[in-house]
Amino acid sequence: QVHLVQSGAEVKRPGASVKISCKASGYTFTNYYMHWVRQAPGQGLEWMGTINLNVIKTHYAQEFQGRLTVTSDTSADTLYMDLSSLRSDDTAVYYCARGGGLAVVDYWGQGTLVTVSS
Amino acid sequence: QSVLTQPPSASGTPGQRVTISCSGSSSNIGSNTVIWFQQLPGTAPKVFIYSNNERPSGVPDRFSGSKSGTSASLAISGLQSEDEADYHCAAWDDSLNGPVFGGGTKLTVL
Repeated sequence: QVHLVQSGAEVKRPGASVKISCKASGYTFTNYYMHWVRQAPGQGLEWMGTINLNVIKTHYAQEFQGRLTVTSDTSADTLYMDLSSLRSDDTAVYYCARGGGLAVVDYWGQGTLVTVSS
Repeated sequence: QSVLTQPPSASGTPGQRVTISCSGSSSNIGSNTVIWFQQLPGTAPKVFIYSNNERPSGVPDRFSGSKSGTSASLAISGLQSEDEADYHCAAWDDSLNGPVFGGGTKLTVL
């Protein structure tokens, strides 16, 4: 079955960058697209960006343009998210999620807590 | 501020029927199908309804979805204590070219 396993929690200083990984298994990685979605404490879900793994094309939400980079290593079925110039309000749980199966967002990773604090 | 609008909370007693609404616009719910996720505390969201009203295998048939125009609803009948969770609606947005979400509704079983 589909599994998305993310890297562990991170603590970063304001202004730093964070890179999170998401290892996929149980399906053909390049047949789907992948999203990054975050959830700040006590808040709703917020879409950050998407990569079409078939053509390796990315699209980012305007709020994250210039700060977010989504990449992939298709030989390792692994997705990456790099967020730079971190601020305290970037403190959130970051999720990778698959799209294009049951729905435009179907399976989710377990989440990675990123804490930004001085 | 979420793109889709949900009530922040809902509640019911065991056995009751509860509905949760989700309001959007012509660029998302009005032109694309709606997904509903259940999120238990400390866990990732899980698809409970897709394509407006379809249930993945393993989701009880007490859960149903509907859509009309730019709004959608999740209905839970025969409410059980295990249904206590956050519920999020989502849909693709043609203007943003990405998925949009509601702010989530916390369902309490009294």
